[in-house]
Amino acid sequence: SAVISQKPSRDICQRGTSLTIQCQVDSQVTMMFWYRQQPGQSLTLIATANQGSEATYESGFVIDKFPISRPNLTFSTLTVSNMSPEDSSIYLCSVEAGSGANVLTFGAGSRLTVL
Amino acid sequence: GQQLNQSPQSMFIQEGEDVSMNCTSSSIFNTWLWYKQDPGEGPVLLIALYKAGELTSNGRLTAQFGITRKDSFLNISASIPSDVGIYFCAGLFHSGNTPLVFGKGTRLSVIA
Repeated sequence: SAVISQKPSRDICQRGTSLTIQCQVDSQVTMMFWYRQQPGQSLTLIATANQGSEATYESGFVIDKFPISRPNLTFSTLTVSNMSPEDSSIYLCSVEAGSGANVLTFGAGSRLTVL
Repeated sequence: GQQLNQSPQSMFIQEGEDVSMNCTSSSIFNTWLWYKQDPGEGPVLLIALYKAGELTSNGRLTAQFGITRKDSFLNISASIPSDVGIYFCAGLFHSGNTPLVFGKGTRLSVIA
């Protein structure tokens, strides 16, 4: 299945700043998914990123707060804008694994701490 | 939206013991997946289930897709220290047009 690289792996950020997370896949994929995992919690889908179109956001997530880019079939970025301590989470990039429909492969995640 | 109830929330077991965890839902799911997450890593797929009643093994791990399509369990036999981690169930609602829903996870600790 696909290998996913995320950068940064972790960062400590100041309140009010923005941070962009990069996700690189070693093969071309149609859809890329961005998840949030708050401390001690499960995974929540933020948005689905398709190449050549705007990302589709899940309820509770908006483009102004989490702008996403998808410039080609192997790369995507997620920006966490105007961060507050409540944004402290692990942000995970994922793609369909190819081993079966709806099976996702995840990157190692980007752990953000907002002070 | 659809929700998965995963239990137990956490477990402390002795090395060599068997482990069982499960997920239930009030909704019907078409797919059940079980993932494991190690510290500092993303979740890794353990087992995928696509058919009601399906029983699938992966080494010491066995998972079943409940016949009602509203539940699934994961068993780990003869636990070892490297089984430590967080186990998540995930399900795909039967409509197919909604994203995977994840349970809240079971945190497993193995005492040597």
